[in-house]
Amino acid sequence: EAGVVQSPRYKIIEKKQPVAFWCNPISGHNTLYWYRQNLGQGPELLIRYENEEAVDDSQLPKDRFSAERLKGVDSTLKIQPAELGDSAVYLCASSLMAGQGYGYTFGSGTRLTVV
Amino acid sequence: RKEVEQDPGPFNVPEGATVAFNCTYSNSASQSFFWYRQDCRKEPKLLMSVYSSGNEDGRFTAQLNRASQYISLLIRDSKLSDSATYLCVVPSPGGYNKLIFGAGTRLAVHP
Repeated sequence: EAGVVQSPRYKIIEKKQPVAFWCNPISGHNTLYWYRQNLGQGPELLIRYENEEAVDDSQLPKDRFSAERLKGVDSTLKIQPAELGDSAVYLCASSLMAGQGYGYTFGSGTRLTVV
Repeated sequence: RKEVEQDPGPFNVPEGATVAFNCTYSNSASQSFFWYRQDCRKEPKLLMSVYSSGNEDGRFTAQLNRASQYISLLIRDSKLSDSATYLCVVPSPGGYNKLIFGAGTRLAVHP
């Protein structure tokens, strides 16, 4: 079974430029998450999808971040314009469903460096 | 109290040692917890789920103390390959649909 697939693996951009990350979750997993992990910290949730609906985006900086999950499968996270402080690892995770007892499977992440 | 707190370490132990990490949480209603392992520059991977009083898997034992609101991870007979960061994960106070990750405890096992 293929795991959660993310691309690109690494991205270096100049500040004020746009950037997009792509995620393909495990087949059949209805719940998809985007997390951001800063160096030395645990992952922090940006947005959670149940199928194609964003059900928790309270921690997504909406002035510059946007996300979509068309047809309830693949998802894209976009930053426009990027700032220096956006440098982090962006992790996508999926689970069979949200709720107690369901751990997540993470993709390998996209390491973003904004210069 | 923070939603989840861990001792950042690092814990430096020799091979064969027994080491334990604690994690405290604030949501008294939480019923299931997780320990994730994260290797350097890799994604977190699920190590163990913790329900009721605890769970054991080989050299790894996770225990839950609801009264004091902490969970622990015990690693016996440490191997060099156990060197990693261990993330404690608890459900968000707002519901079970969001997991909150601790900052992690770093373990370094040396020969």
